[in-house]
This record gives sequence, C-alpha cells and structure tokens, in this order.
Amino acid sequence: DSGVTQTPKHLITATGQRVTLRCSPRSGDLSVYWYQQSLDQGLQFLIQYYNGEERAKGNILERFSAQQFPDLHSELNLSSLELGDSALYFCASSPSGGLGPYEQYFGPGTRLTVT
Amino acid sequence: AQSVTQLGSHVSVSEGALVLLRCNYSSSVPPYLFWYVQYPNQGLQLLLKYTTGATLVKGINGFEAEFKKSETSFHLTKPSAHMSDAAEYFCAVSGYGQNFVFGPGTRLSVLP
Repeated sequence: DSGVTQTPKHLITATGQRVTLRCSPRSGDLSVYWYQQSLDQGLQFLIQYYNGEERAKGNILERFSAQQFPDLHSELNLSSLELGDSALYFCASSPSGGLGPYEQYFGPGTRLTVT
Repeated sequence: AQSVTQLGSHVSVSEGALVLLRCNYSSSVPPYLFWYVQYPNQGLQLLLKYTTGATLVKGINGFEAEFKKSETSFHLTKPSAHMSDAAEYFCAVSGYGQNFVFGPGTRLSVLP
C-alpha cells in the first residue's frame, strides 16, 4: 500500500458526460501528479500540482482540468468525454516539487470506461 | 530536457534465466534514476532508485541496476527470473529542479 488513495476505482459513463476523479496523497506529500495510461498511448503525464499551485503541464487536453485543495487532495475533471478517453488514470504523490531525489508514489488508479 | 528510452517493448525470458531490461537516459543535470514495476490492473511500484553514491543499486524482489554515466544507461537485471516477475517495467529519470520523465515501458514475459 503506497498511501495514495484514489476514488472511484471504476467509472463507467457515456460520451459527452463529465466526471471527477479524486486523489488523496500520502501524508506529508506536497506534490500530486496525474497520469493517463491507455493501451495505445502508454503512460502519459497530464499535470502536476505542488502545494496548491500548478507546477507542470504535460499532454493534458483542454477538456481536462485539475486542482489541488488546501488539504492537498486533488481532483481531475474530465468533460465532454469521448470514447478515446477510456483509460486508467493514476495519481501519484511526492514530498517535493522536483527539488530533491524523491520518487513518486502511485495510487491504485481509476479505470474510466466511456461508452 | 530529459528523456528515457527503453530498448524492447516486450522481452521474453525462460524461468530461471537472466533478466536484462535496458534503459538509456538523457539529462541536462545529474540524474536521479528509477525503475518501477506495474502488475496487471495495479499502480506502479518502486523497484529501486539511484540518486548519488554507489552506482550499483539493489532493489526489491532480487532486482538490481547499475548506473553507468559514460553510457547514460541504467539497465535492470535479475539473475534468475521467476514467473511472478511477469509485469510491465518502467524506467524514469528526474533531477534537481527537473520533471519526472517515464520511459515507454517494457513488458516482461516469463516462460515456464
């Protein structure tokens, strides 16, 4: 158990809908990272937050947004869903924002299926 | 900028044989290097990491990796493969002030 929690575990929704994925980082970790993993694209970095502020952006679509709250949990919002958004979404946390040799700790993931 | 390449998207070995998964990196700063393992339908789990010091790093489940600066490599090895080693393996690089970058992954199959 990495200490990172993600809810829900599974999500099935229809095209055009909007969903919210939630992540709680390990106790004390200030950074949260979001990744998308699909069979054809592999593991893609979406976005990083550090202590409530956006720190880095990867291949995140404009239909997707994220935020990190004062209690450090984070939410990833996916809107106008398309079939191609079906994937595993992982959250990871780290003590730092890149200013040290710290690994990322991954949650169990949320499997999103868009029908 | 940093990048990671992993030679071979799929590697097959026989049970009891040597496991060698290749990772090469590019980094503009002294790198921190990581290997992660992902079992089906699970998140990534850290196997081992190199930050500074000893270049041969030992991890969990009998895996080890050697940092070779001259070759910009961080290959993962295990002397004897076990069926339970079948999984996807990801190499990653970061550095002071740098983003974490994952490689594309290598799927390891272990044949009986």
